[in-house]
Amino acid sequence: DAGVIQSPRHEVTEMGQEVTLRCKPISGHDYLFWYRQTMMRGLELLIYFNNNVPIDDSGMPEDRFSAKMPNASFSTLKIQPSEPRDSAVYFCASSAGTGWGTQYFGPGTRLLVL
Amino acid sequence: DAKTTQPTSMDCAEGRAANLPCNHSTISGNEYVYWYRQIHSQGPQYIIHGLKNNETNEMASLIITEDRKSSTLILPHATLRDTAVYYCIVRVENSGGYQKVTFGTGTKLQVIP
Repeated sequence: DAGVIQSPRHEVTEMGQEVTLRCKPISGHDYLFWYRQTMMRGLELLIYFNNNVPIDDSGMPEDRFSAKMPNASFSTLKIQPSEPRDSAVYFCASSAGTGWGTQYFGPGTRLLVL
Repeated sequence: DAKTTQPTSMDCAEGRAANLPCNHSTISGNEYVYWYRQIHSQGPQYIIHGLKNNETNEMASLIITEDRKSSTLILPHATLRDTAVYYCIVRVENSGGYQKVTFGTGTKLQVIP
């Protein structure tokens, strides 16, 4: 298996622009997680899905952030409009059936908002 | 979720065992102890988890004290590739509902040649 795939790997954008991050989970995994990592706050869970349904988005920082999972093999995290404080590494992870426990992380998307 | 406490950093000589401690004194009876690590510029990697018995896999061993208030991750023969930040997390397995989790700052393990 190719593992969790994320794109793009790097994104540089200007404040106010829309940013879309993409994730393809491991085939057969029914949980998908989006995390954000910064030096100040560490690794934080933003939202997670089970069987394509968002279970809890309480970790999403504000309304500018939204996430979707239209099917079992694809998810997006969108920031609109982006702000410099959104600069971070965004990770997608997936797991199979065991819920939170054994998660497989993607390589991350490094976002820089100027 | 129970809060965990880990040392900020540790050094270990290459080839020696690396013992990474974690305190989780408020852990509940149904909470598992998980260990992940993050090598620089990569996504976190699952290592091992356990409830109350000691566990071993091809990567590491997990020793949980009898009162479950602390645990130790053991890398039996550390290599330079084990240099990473190690996170100890406690979580209920298969719990429904809200599952916000913060990995915390972890322990930065430096393996020295």
